[in-house]
Amino acid sequence: SAVISQKPSRDICQRGTSLTIQCQVDSQVTMMFWYRQQPGQSLTLIATANQGSEATYESGFVIDKFPISRPNLTFSTLTVSNMSPEDSSIYLCSVDDTGGYGYTFGSGTRLTVV
Amino acid sequence: RKEVEQDPGPFNVPEGATVAFNCTYSNSASQSFFWYRQDCRKEPKLLMSVYSSGNEDGRFTAQLNRASQYISLLIRDSKLSDSATYLCVVRSGGSNYKLTFGKGTLLTVNP
Repeated sequence: SAVISQKPSRDICQRGTSLTIQCQVDSQVTMMFWYRQQPGQSLTLIATANQGSEATYESGFVIDKFPISRPNLTFSTLTVSNMSPEDSSIYLCSVDDTGGYGYTFGSGTRLTVV
Repeated sequence: RKEVEQDPGPFNVPEGATVAFNCTYSNSASQSFFWYRQDCRKEPKLLMSVYSSGNEDGRFTAQLNRASQYISLLIRDSKLSDSATYLCVVRSGGSNYKLTFGKGTLLTVNP
């Protein structure tokens, strides 16, 4: 399965600032996914990022708040903009590297907004 | 009704016990089904896919009932290392490849 390098692993940020999270995959993948896992909760899909097109956002998530880049088939970034304490969460990227029969996750970014 | 609903847990069992997790899903058009394992402060990792015919991987058995929209995971002879949160995951149909996660069930296996 694919190996994903996600950075940073954790950060503590001031409210009102932005943080960009990076995911690098060791192989080319068509779709990359960004998830959020709030404390004590399961994973919620933020958006799907395809190379060469705009990301597709899920209900409740907007591009202005969570802009995504997908410049090539091995890399993507998610920015959490104008952060508030409610954005404190774990953010994970994921790829479908087995044609829909299994998904691999990055190790996650633990974000705390103070 | 939540899209994917799991036993709330937590489960505390002794080593060697058999434990079963249940999950239901609301979208009858769902195509693929998985159990993921998430250790504390770690990312989810695929435990096994779930097929209509049922499938087994060592001590783990997964079953799917499409008519009842029900998925199960059975762990036999549980080990201390099985302690984790088990996530029921459903993929929607079409080319979306969207995964929907249950809230997870925490299992603690005690010596």
